[in-house]
Amino acid sequence: GAVVSQHPSWVICKSGTSVKIECRSLDFQATTMFWYRQFPKQSLMLMATSNEGSKATYEQGVEKDKFLINHASLTLSTLTVTSAHPEDSSFYICSARGTGDNEKLFFGSGTQLSVL
Amino acid sequence: QKEVEQDPGPLSVPEGAIVSLNCTYSNSAFQYFMWYRQYSRKGPELLMYTYSSGNKEDGRFTAQVDKSSKYISLFIRDSQPSDSATYLCAMMKEQLTFGSGTQLTVLP
Repeated sequence: GAVVSQHPSWVICKSGTSVKIECRSLDFQATTMFWYRQFPKQSLMLMATSNEGSKATYEQGVEKDKFLINHASLTLSTLTVTSAHPEDSSFYICSARGTGDNEKLFFGSGTQLSVL
Repeated sequence: QKEVEQDPGPLSVPEGAIVSLNCTYSNSAFQYFMWYRQYSRKGPELLMYTYSSGNKEDGRFTAQVDKSSKYISLFIRDSQPSDSATYLCAMMKEQLTFGSGTQLTVLP
C-alpha cells in the first residue's frame, strides 16, 4: 500500500518554543492531507484539512494561528505548533489521500509531542 | 448522539478465538466504511475498506456492512496475540469520522 512518512516520531521541547512536524507521501501525490490529534485512549480528532496550494480548513475550536499548516507540494505538508505549551502535548498524526487507487486514506506513524 | 458509536472495550479473548468488533452510525450519507488497526503510539493502519453493503473478506479478516441497519462489523478468525491493538472503525462522506476505538487483547 501507499506509504506516508511522518517526522519526527518523538519530540520534547520547552514551553514557548515552536515545533514543526513533517508529513510526506512517498509513492503517490496527495491532493489532500489531514492532521489529527489523539489523546491517550481516545480516538483521532480531526484538526484541519489541507489541499495543495491553498489555505488549510480548520475544525471548530482549533486555533489556526497556533497550528500552522503548510501544504506546499503534492507530497509534503507541515504542521507547526507555535509557542507550544504543556496542554499541547499530544500525539499528532497526519494522513494523506491521493487519487485513483490511492484515494483511500493512509496515515503517518504519528508524532508524540511533549512540552515541558 | 455521536455520528459513530463504538464500544471501547477493553476486549480480551484467548488465542484462536473469533473476534467480533462493531460500530453503529447515524448518518446515512456515509459512503465508505473502513477498519483501521492502531498499535500503541503508532499511526492507524488500514485493514479493510468497503463502500457497499455485504461482506468483504481478506485473509482472517471479514468486514460486514449493513446500511439498512447502519451497522458495520469486523470479524477476526483464529485470532493471534499479534492482533492485540486498538481497532477503529471509520466512515467517510467528505471527511473521515472515526469511532472511539476498541482495545483488543488476544491472550496466548
